[in-house]
Amino acid sequence: DAGVIQSPRHEVTEMGQEVTLRCKPISGHNSLFWYRQTMMRGLELLIYFNNNVPIDDSGMPEDRFSAKMPNASFSTLKIQPSEPRDSAVYFCASRADRVEKLFFGSGTQLSVL
Amino acid sequence: DAKTTQPNSMESNEEEPVHLPCNHSTISGTDYIHWYRQLPSQGPEYVIHGLTSNVNNRMASLAIAEDRKSSTLILHRATLRDAAVYYCILCTNTNAGKSTFGDGTTLTVKP
Repeated sequence: DAGVIQSPRHEVTEMGQEVTLRCKPISGHNSLFWYRQTMMRGLELLIYFNNNVPIDDSGMPEDRFSAKMPNASFSTLKIQPSEPRDSAVYFCASRADRVEKLFFGSGTQLSVL
Repeated sequence: DAKTTQPNSMESNEEEPVHLPCNHSTISGTDYIHWYRQLPSQGPEYVIHGLTSNVNNRMASLAIAEDRKSSTLILHRATLRDAAVYYCILCTNTNAGKSTFGDGTTLTVKP
């Protein structure tokens, strides 16, 4: 199994541009999580899906952030417009069931100039 | 959501055992205790999890208090590769399994 696949690994963009981060969860996993990690705030849960349905998006910072999961094998996190304070590492994780272990992707290092 | 509390940092000498504590006094009966670690420049990786009984795997052991309000991750012989941030989180069967990470414990292993 290839594990959770995130793309791109690195993204450098200018303030105001749209950024789209992608995630392919492990096949058969029914929960998907988006986290953001910064030195200041640590590892924050942004949103999570269960069976492709968003369950809790209370961690999404503001309306500039949106996430979708159109099917069981793909999810996106979009930031529009991006700002320098969005610079962080964004992780996607998936798991097979509610109390099973999480598998994390390698993350996307986002830099907004 | 039930929260966990961990020390900010701990130090260990190489090849000595390490006991990493975690408090979760508001844990509910169906919450599982999970431990993850994050090596520098990598995503978190699963270490171990349990519900009530102590657990062992190739990476570590998990000791869970009888009242389940605390747990301890045990690395039997720390190596330099074990230097990482260790997170203790609760995974619940409710709310579709929302999993929130705290600040974790930064483990430093000295040669």
